Amino acid sequence: SQQGEEDPQALSIQEGENATMNCSYKTSINNLQWYRQNSGRGLVHLILIRSNEREKHSGRLRVTLDTSKKSSSLLITASRAADTASYFCATVNSGNTPLVFGKGTRLSVIA
Amino acid sequence: EAGVAQSPRYKIIEKRQSVAFWCNPISGHATLYWYQQILGQGPKLLIQFQNNGVVDDSQLPKDRFSAERLKGVDSTLKIQPAKLEDSAVYLCASSLATRTDTQYFGPGTRLTVL
Repeated sequence: SQQGEEDPQALSIQEGENATMNCSYKTSINNLQWYRQNSGRGLVHLILIRSNEREKHSGRLRVTLDTSKKSSSLLITASRAADTASYFCATVNSGNTPLVFGKGTRLSVIA
Repeated sequence: EAGVAQSPRYKIIEKRQSVAFWCNPISGHATLYWYQQILGQGPKLLIQFQNNGVVDDSQLPKDRFSAERLKGVDSTLKIQPAKLEDSAVYLCASSLATRTDTQYFGPGTRLTVL
């Protein structure tokens, strides 16, 4: 079963705009991670946020975590065509169970 | 630093045939994972090794899938016999130690079963 559910399923924006993707999950977590997957390639780890953290930044990425709502968001600022990819959230539950991925958001950045 | 290596990158077989995938994790990474990613979905964990021991294989279809990690480094995943629904990308990942560590993924093997 998949723990995280990303929203929207697909997103298309113009280069330079910001992109926001959301992830909801069901059970208590140890941490939540965001990954990027370019077409035909493996996943690349973007950022990890622990259950006691509320916000993290990495370059043009900003991740927030609201454990009371069991949700997280990934914001990509000043998007570029190279950001075109699928973005997945994945959770490690409090019981240290396996990393569970959602179905992903397909982001298209149009130049 | 070299990443996770996988081979082959692509494989096409007929149903009921057997197939094997190979993974070489990042040097020094104790934990190795095999995931199955069906088109349009996120990866699903099949099996996790800690060194050469199995930590979690609860989602591995053991009647047809097998995996080993001899000597705690390279790993192979085998499917025998393959079914149509096994068509997917098989991803290998490794991490330093535990599940809470960042996982580094290989490029994957795209399997098509005809």
